[in-house]
Amino acid sequence: GQQLNQSPQSMFIQEGEDVSMNCTSSSIFNTWLWYKQDPGEGPVLLIALYKAGELTSNGRLTAQFGITRKDSFLNISASIPSDVGIYFCAGLNTGNQFYFGTGTSLTVIP
Amino acid sequence: NAGVTQTPKFQVLKTGQSMTLQCAQDMNHNSMYWYRQDPGMGLRLIYYSASEGTTDKGEVPNGYNVSRLNKREFSLRLESAAPSQTSVYFCASTPWGQGSDEQYFGPGTRLTVT
Repeated sequence: GQQLNQSPQSMFIQEGEDVSMNCTSSSIFNTWLWYKQDPGEGPVLLIALYKAGELTSNGRLTAQFGITRKDSFLNISASIPSDVGIYFCAGLNTGNQFYFGTGTSLTVIP
Repeated sequence: NAGVTQTPKFQVLKTGQSMTLQCAQDMNHNSMYWYRQDPGMGLRLIYYSASEGTTDKGEVPNGYNVSRLNKREFSLRLESAAPSQTSVYFCASTPWGQGSDEQYFGPGTRLTVT
């Protein structure tokens, strides 16, 4: 099945730094979702985006729905140790099917 | 409001054994899904139920069956477990028709087949 292209695959950053990751697709999506998954846990929804160009924030997290509707970006500002985990995107296409990125593993060094 | 719950959290099976993974949601969502998550492969859809009374195959349905027992519950059955079914299984639900496309996940069932 179709997987979304998510990059980078992993990141090692210092506490306090900002983080950026993105997802791209060859297909158009109507909705973009961003999740965080901690080890041994289920994915937790962070942000949902519904309109091309939309910019939405959730605390230190900001996500954008790309103008072309084929990509989305997630930024984390002033990272802290509890930001450690795997972040992945999900896109919902016009056929009401969800597709998932393979994840970005984030390590925050205190 | 517990969201999506799954049981059991861990399970070890021998090849050929059967078992049912249980999932329930208390958010009055219409659609429910079963995914498996394997290292480096992301989430893959096994089966889904768009609404109560309907079920459809996803990307990797072989070796599995599902039952949408009612609006709240959606179970996944392995009739004859195989080592290739060792994975983490997630149940998810989506409102549909309630103004939201957001998908919410349960905590997962970690299954090992020996």
